[in-house]
Amino acid sequence: DTAVSQTPKYLVTQMGNDKSIKCEQNLGHDTMYWYKQDSKKFLKIMFSYNNKELIINETVPNRFSPKSPDKAHLNLHINSLELGDSAVYFCASRTGSYNEQFFGPGTRLTVL
Amino acid sequence: EDKVVQSPLSLVVHEGDTVTLNCSYEVTNFRSLLWYKQEKKAPTFLFMLTSSGIEKKSGRLSSILDKKELFSILNITATQTGDSAVYLCAVEVAGNNRKLIWGLGTSLAVNP
Repeated sequence: DTAVSQTPKYLVTQMGNDKSIKCEQNLGHDTMYWYKQDSKKFLKIMFSYNNKELIINETVPNRFSPKSPDKAHLNLHINSLELGDSAVYFCASRTGSYNEQFFGPGTRLTVL
Repeated sequence: EDKVVQSPLSLVVHEGDTVTLNCSYEVTNFRSLLWYKQEKKAPTFLFMLTSSGIEKKSGRLSSILDKKELFSILNITATQTGDSAVYLCAVEVAGNNRKLIWGLGTSLAVNP
């Protein structure tokens, strides 16, 4: 009955590799987000999609590319991984009518 | 530039103490202010505040917003070790994308 799920939970990879993180929500929400949380715990918005349309695209390297095949899914693909990409990546979703965002469990990415 | 500032950054108290966490903001087009609690995993929603002076309460936790002075406080009475967490404040900005601007959080440690 997980509301917002992410896979994988942990990802350890070498610099230069390409990897993807997947997010799915079964709440019927129409807006989904990707956040990056670094070691200092600061939550930085990366992208947001509303009904499969990109509505927030913060200053993020173009190595990061989100994709929303439908409004229940938002995936994040990262090309040419760098050491500084190591962080916890959180997916979140919300409805159009309420402000609360529901967070997924996070994906801890470690780039070696 | 929109910003949210939380204080203190960290706090250590003993069980049974009362704590007050602060969140001040400078944003254009304020819509709401949200408090989240983050333990080891994803942030979980606590309160959403939209109107000044109306206290929201849930058990030992309460929060209030002052839209004139641009701040909110989160109070926790009779603290317990289970209250140990990072408390995050976020402000939603009105607009098409309704982005959340996050503070850095207050790390609370409650010692037995």
